[in-house]
Amino acid sequence: DAGITQSPRHKVTETGTPVTLRCHQTENHRYMYWYRQDPGHGLRLIHYSYGVKDTDKGEVSDGYSVSRSKTEDFLLTLESATSSQTSVYFCAISDPGQPQHFGDGTRLSIL
Amino acid sequence: DQQVKQNSPSLSVQEGRISILNCDYTNSMFDYFLWYKKYPAEGPTFLISISSIKDKNEDGRFTVFLNKSAKHLSLHIVPSQPGDSAVYFCAASDSGAGNQFYFGTGTSLTVIP
Repeated sequence: DAGITQSPRHKVTETGTPVTLRCHQTENHRYMYWYRQDPGHGLRLIHYSYGVKDTDKGEVSDGYSVSRSKTEDFLLTLESATSSQTSVYFCAISDPGQPQHFGDGTRLSIL
Repeated sequence: DQQVKQNSPSLSVQEGRISILNCDYTNSMFDYFLWYKKYPAEGPTFLISISSIKDKNEDGRFTVFLNKSAKHLSLHIVPSQPGDSAVYFCAASDSGAGNQFYFGTGTSLTVIP
């Protein structure tokens, strides 16, 4: 959808391990976002980027870091995964003043 | 603190009738509002948007209404079809404060054939 690819699509890992999720776009959009979706909470913003090497925190950024070294790639890293980070993670892209377009999500389970 | 609220977790409607999904917001600086539809195991898909300079926007069977004084927006689907069964999220943005979007918790719509 809209040239967004998330990888992996599914991952199971253990508490304390590092995890990196990747978002790749082919649309050359300026903004990229990482959200998590949990029951009863909707979509909550973790981090976003407004350009290469320009990132900012969202409302649930604790325990997560991001990097954007190229326009097309936005990485989300859990340095030491915890069970509370079990969730579905969505990447989104947009240009200023335009709707966001979402990837198909990554289902992450931390045991 | 949830800035965008969808107080109805679920809604069931008969096929052919109108579906009305509601959304409230608290931040008076929000000036751009959107609705997304989400099927299981897929990402949200953009449906329709409205700017605060308007009070209505229509796209086929979908109409969004904005009441700024009440800080309320609604999505009307007429006529409802079984394929409309999905979770609907509303979202809002303050265009003067970057490109962040705030989402509601979603309403699960079931259209009964």
